[in-house]
Amino acid sequence: ETGVTQTPRHLVMGMTNKKSLKCEQHLGHNAMYWYKQSAKKPLELMFVYNFKEQTENNSVPSRFSPECPNSSHLFLHLHTLQPEDSALYLCASSPPGQGGRETQYFGPGTRLLVL
Amino acid sequence: GESVGLHLPTLSVQEGDNSIINCAYSNSASDYFIWYKQESGKGPQFIIDIRSNMDKRQGQRVTVLLNKTVKHLSLQIAATQPGDSAVYFCAENFETGANNLFFGTGTRLTVIP
Repeated sequence: ETGVTQTPRHLVMGMTNKKSLKCEQHLGHNAMYWYKQSAKKPLELMFVYNFKEQTENNSVPSRFSPECPNSSHLFLHLHTLQPEDSALYLCASSPPGQGGRETQYFGPGTRLLVL
Repeated sequence: GESVGLHLPTLSVQEGDNSIINCAYSNSASDYFIWYKQESGKGPQFIIDIRSNMDKRQGQRVTVLLNKTVKHLSLQIAATQPGDSAVYFCAENFETGANNLFFGTGTRLTVIP
């Protein structure tokens, strides 16, 4: 256990559905991240939040909408997804530090299937 | 056993042998590197990191070597065990003031009992 939890662990949704992924970290970290992991591709950084403020949006389509109500919780709201959005969605967090060189700790991921 | 860069996505080694997983990183400005291990059904797990002011760092049964001249990173696992079977990723950070990691595609290590 890394101290980063994600729910649900598995999700199947249709293209017209709206769902949300949840991430929670119990490590006292101030930065949280969403990554997408597709088969045979590198992990793709989607969003970064530092102290609840979004500091990175890596050209992610608007059908993915992040929300960070506090430093311990991160959500990814999904709507009108496409089948190619099927992937493992990973959340990570990192502690405060200097110069942006802190280890990121990952949750177990949500396996998403879009039909 | 030894893998070469990210072009060889699989590596098989006998239990008890040493493993060497290689990674060719992309940006000469990268100054922080991490190795992660990802087992089936789990998220990536931190193994070891190294900063660019070092060329070697050792952990428990693992050693990371950094060669900045050729932009090469390697992970050595001593006395490989079946529990080491997983996909191993290297990640680099080169953005000033940001903690954004850029990952390679990974190498799948299979340990043969």
